[in-house]
Amino acid sequence: DTGVSQNPRHKITKRGQNVTFRCDPISEHNRLYWYRQTLGQGPEFLTYFQNEAQLEKSRLLSDRFSAERPKGSFSTLEIQRTEQGDSAMYLCASSQQGLETQYFGPGTRLLVL
Amino acid sequence: AQSVTQPDIHITVSEGASLELRCNYSYGATPYLFWYVQSPGQGLQLLLKYFSGDTLVQGIKGFEAEFKRSQSSFNLRKPSVHWSDAAEYFCAVGARAAGNKLTFGGGTRVLVKP
Repeated sequence: DTGVSQNPRHKITKRGQNVTFRCDPISEHNRLYWYRQTLGQGPEFLTYFQNEAQLEKSRLLSDRFSAERPKGSFSTLEIQRTEQGDSAMYLCASSQQGLETQYFGPGTRLLVL
Repeated sequence: AQSVTQPDIHITVSEGASLELRCNYSYGATPYLFWYVQSPGQGLQLLLKYFSGDTLVQGIKGFEAEFKRSQSSFNLRKPSVHWSDAAEYFCAVGARAAGNKLTFGGGTRVLVKP
């Protein structure tokens, strides 16, 4: 069990650029979650997948955000036309359906200049 | 809708003293409750969880938490704090009906004095 991994760990971009983050869950976990955490706040739910199906999206996930999990394994989160307000830590977590405990990756810290 | 309140933004405690972090939640059904710890710039590590059964749950690093349904609380405790416990602590509530997505409190930052 290698845990949840996320890449890159840090990303600095200019406003208006597109960025993509990757999350690799724990191998036997079929659920994958994305959260966003701004400075001094708790994480906020963005979206989650069960296998390859995206089952729920938060209202926080504007149309500039898209997430995929094409083969039910790793997931990507893309932000198009980044804005300074997108600067945050993006956290990924995974769990096994029925076991309910989510395990988090180290996060990707995004800074939009 | 689920919500979680952590009333204390910062707590300072002396090394070796006891620690209690407060958490109150709002949810219509029986929730799943979690405490996570986050060191600066890092992801979240699970300390303990409550799903059902015994209302006093033990976790890693000597932490425990007690679920009190009547008070909608799930407070975290540690009898004797170590300097390495300095971190931010998050309480979270999840529910099977909501796909187990977690709702987090705002966190409590713990500072440990030598």
